[in-house]
Amino acid sequence: NAGVTQTPKFQVLKTGQSMTLQCAQDMNHNSMYWYRQDPGMGLRLIYYSASEGTTDKGEVPNGYNVSRLNKREFSLRLESAAPSQTSVYFCASGRTSGGARASDTQYFGPGTRLTVL
Amino acid sequence: KQEVTQIPAALSVPEGENLVLNCSFTDSAIYNLQWFRQDPGKGLTSLLLIQSSQREQTSGRLNASLDKSSGRSTLYIAASQPGDSATYLCAVGEGRRALTFGSGTRLQVQP
Repeated sequence: NAGVTQTPKFQVLKTGQSMTLQCAQDMNHNSMYWYRQDPGMGLRLIYYSASEGTTDKGEVPNGYNVSRLNKREFSLRLESAAPSQTSVYFCASGRTSGGARASDTQYFGPGTRLTVL
Repeated sequence: KQEVTQIPAALSVPEGENLVLNCSFTDSAIYNLQWFRQDPGKGLTSLLLIQSSQREQTSGRLNASLDKSSGRSTLYIAASQPGDSATYLCAVGEGRRALTFGSGTRLQVQP
């Protein structure tokens, strides 16, 4: 099992360009998440998907869109990149117990390091 | 809004020492609390998960405790080794959102 995979690993964009970050998991998890990590600020939730076909905003959703393509894949799109979106982006997945939306242990991908000039 | 604080921000200890990392959170209505390890330039690895009904979890040399009423958790590392050097992140899981993370404690264990 590969766990959670992310592509690309590194990306440099110019202000105004668009791109999509890809994430896939092979653990049959129903919940998937996108976080960004900035120096000294820990990880902040951008969007999450509690199940296939549903998505919800997190703490910092502005400037991003997501798509839960199927149970395995959850993509993050930057329509018009800004320097403030320079960050490390992590995708995670987890198994949600019962009716709760908070999942059990979350498994993280290796991250995408994005620089916007 | 939940806020998670980790103290200290950085810690350097000699090999073999026992140490405690602290995590505090402002809203005690949590589902669970997790401790993660992050190596430089890498993703996060889950170390321990404590459900809200539990008081502690152990894995090898690691022991994590949870006191919901006081909004605190500690991660105890016994007999530290240079390979334990990493950033340790605490995160709380709540009902409607995913995880709220602290900013981490950067640990260096010197040989």
